[in-house]
Amino acid sequence: GAGVSQSPRYKVAKRGQDVALRCDPISGHVSLFWYQQALGQGPEFLTYFQNEAQLDKSGLPSDRFFAERPEGSVSTLKIQRTQQEDSAVYLCASSPTGTGDSGNTIYFGEGSWLTVV
Amino acid sequence: LAKTTQPISMDSYEGQEVNITCSHNNIATNDYITWYQQFPSQGPRFIIQGYKTKVTNEVASLFIPADRKSSTLSLPRVSLSDTAVYYCLVGKGGSTLGRLYFGRGTQLTVWP
Repeated sequence: GAGVSQSPRYKVAKRGQDVALRCDPISGHVSLFWYQQALGQGPEFLTYFQNEAQLDKSGLPSDRFFAERPEGSVSTLKIQRTQQEDSAVYLCASSPTGTGDSGNTIYFGEGSWLTVV
Repeated sequence: LAKTTQPISMDSYEGQEVNITCSHNNIATNDYITWYQQFPSQGPRFIIQGYKTKVTNEVASLFIPADRKSSTLSLPRVSLSDTAVYYCLVGKGGSTLGRLYFGRGTQLTVWP
């Protein structure tokens, strides 16, 4: 597609359940990012991939959060044993540029809304 | 990461020009300044990016003074559809490309 696609758009999970959120970046984009956005707050960085390599995962809040991008295209953010504080919008973004390029234009998807009950 | 400070909210009326100023006192030499717009239930959308002086596109203008410690996003003749949250970001390419600090942004409300 023309933009970053995320699925599911909405997800309700019971506390303790595992969830997987999928991101299809813009075709050919080298860099892929995951952000978490709580209600009323700005997006907060979770992790960054360049192709299949996860170069920065310092924003992942706990070891229950795991992200992968095995073939350098589609990415999955997995949250194990979900807690109520995990309720947020999870935004995926991609960029055509990689390490060493200037500027920081990235393109966001519409997000996956996770509610943990 | 260079953090930014911007007003929490602003109000305007249709047809007016809106200027949103952002402070970024510890901007680094090779940092760019980027503004994003976010509507409810959508991801942020790129508006404009600049390094110094003035940049203009079909949507907005970005004014950056010589010391680069602040920047001003200018939206000419706003309409109701410009009601959104506007984020000012400072960052550069390389490994920090995606690790951008959004802050809480500025909620712009345009009234009829």
